[in-house]
Amino acid sequence: EPEVTQTPSHQVTQMGQEVILRCVPISNHLYFYWYRQILGQKVEFLVSFYNNEISEKSEIFDDQFSVERPDGSNFTLKIRSTKLEDSAMYFCASRQSQETQYFGPGTRLLVL
Amino acid sequence: GQQLNQSPQSMFIQEGEDVSMNCTSSSIFNTWLWYKQDPGEGPVLLIALYKAGELTSNGRLTAQFGITRKDSFLNISASIPSDVGIYFCAGSYNFNKFYFGSGTKLNVKP
Repeated sequence: EPEVTQTPSHQVTQMGQEVILRCVPISNHLYFYWYRQILGQKVEFLVSFYNNEISEKSEIFDDQFSVERPDGSNFTLKIRSTKLEDSAMYFCASRQSQETQYFGPGTRLLVL
Repeated sequence: GQQLNQSPQSMFIQEGEDVSMNCTSSSIFNTWLWYKQDPGEGPVLLIALYKAGELTSNGRLTAQFGITRKDSFLNISASIPSDVGIYFCAGSYNFNKFYFGSGTKLNVKP
């Protein structure tokens, strides 16, 4: 069964460093999402992406964040200058047309 | 802003018991989703609902999309130990942005 994959599974970085989190959505899906989940808390929407454009973004998704679909398979989330409070699990999700979204396994980001 | 309330926060039940949890939102949704999350993993979709009043089952799980479009519930019948985990509801108006509930942590005693 096709699934969303994410790399790396874990990333440790120093405050102020840039990180790029990578996702490979399910191959025939057209809509892509990034979410984050701070430890012990609920899943929070960051951004949705369709047709090479951001569809919607949350208040969390400020100028430090950017997304890109650099080729036909990858979907990336970049955090330019990480802060301590960026430590969280980051989930990618994708969906096809009106069907629901499927989540990847997540990347655990720790900012020191 | 959008408020999504999920209850209960946690439940401790005996194996074999039925479970019910629900979510209410401050505004209408056009879709409700229910996910289960195990520690350290991504949410796994259980049931998706697309129409007000819709009642959908997936094995021992049943979920309903409320008539007002502002609420949904999930029932689990005859719980088993592997039902342990955190259950999240999620709702969306336009499929561009999904709001998640705060989760219901389910504990099942064998």
